[in-house]
Amino acid sequence: DVKVTQSSRYLVKRTGEKVFLECVQDMDHENMFWYRQDPGLGLRLIYFSYDVKMKEKGDIPEGYSVSREKKERFSLILESASTNQTSMYLCASSLRTGSTNTGELFFGEGSRLTVL
Amino acid sequence: AQSVTQLDSHVSVSEGTPVLLRCNYSSSYSPSLFWYVQHPNKGLQLLLKYTSAATLVKGINGFEAEFKKSETSFHLTKPSAHMSDAAEYFCVVKGGGGLTGGGNKLTFGTGTQLKVEL
Repeated sequence: DVKVTQSSRYLVKRTGEKVFLECVQDMDHENMFWYRQDPGLGLRLIYFSYDVKMKEKGDIPEGYSVSREKKERFSLILESASTNQTSMYLCASSLRTGSTNTGELFFGEGSRLTVL
Repeated sequence: AQSVTQLDSHVSVSEGTPVLLRCNYSSSYSPSLFWYVQHPNKGLQLLLKYTSAATLVKGINGFEAEFKKSETSFHLTKPSAHMSDAAEYFCVVKGGGGLTGGGNKLTFGTGTQLKVEL
């Protein structure tokens, strides 16, 4: 069965702390994504990676960075957490889009981060 | 540029009655369209997808959606709601341009919360 695992379901951090959110997929997918989900705003793309060590900014990258050292692992880093980064963070993966692949996303269960 | 509008933020139905969740899209390309469902405290799960084959798409759990190009719509329906259908539903459009490396950009709607009452 397809699996995307986010190691931390719930985190509480203080303003200014460095935060790491980890995501691992076991499907050998090339693409991995980090989204932020807020009520009434849907999902917004933070960063995207299409290969090891490759990354692209999404719609809201400010205040975030990412790391992809291995194909199966994609980390989201908040260098200095702020209260406006309190949110649900969703990791997803997909095959590289091609003629026979529609780019369906497979999601983890989310990491709910509270910054005090 | 592409966008998707979910016309209702909340929909409430009685168990056993039909469900209609509305979605309109805008895309410069021939789009791929998806509906995802999110149950409380869970990630998103694919319900169904349209990729330029049949315009009536059947998904899991009895849901279906019809692609109407003339109306730029992709509404989600189910003939008879069940309590387990209570969840948030997202309409998603994937266009032809966007992210490099073959990861075409997806745009999510703001979601429709479905409530099912006894």
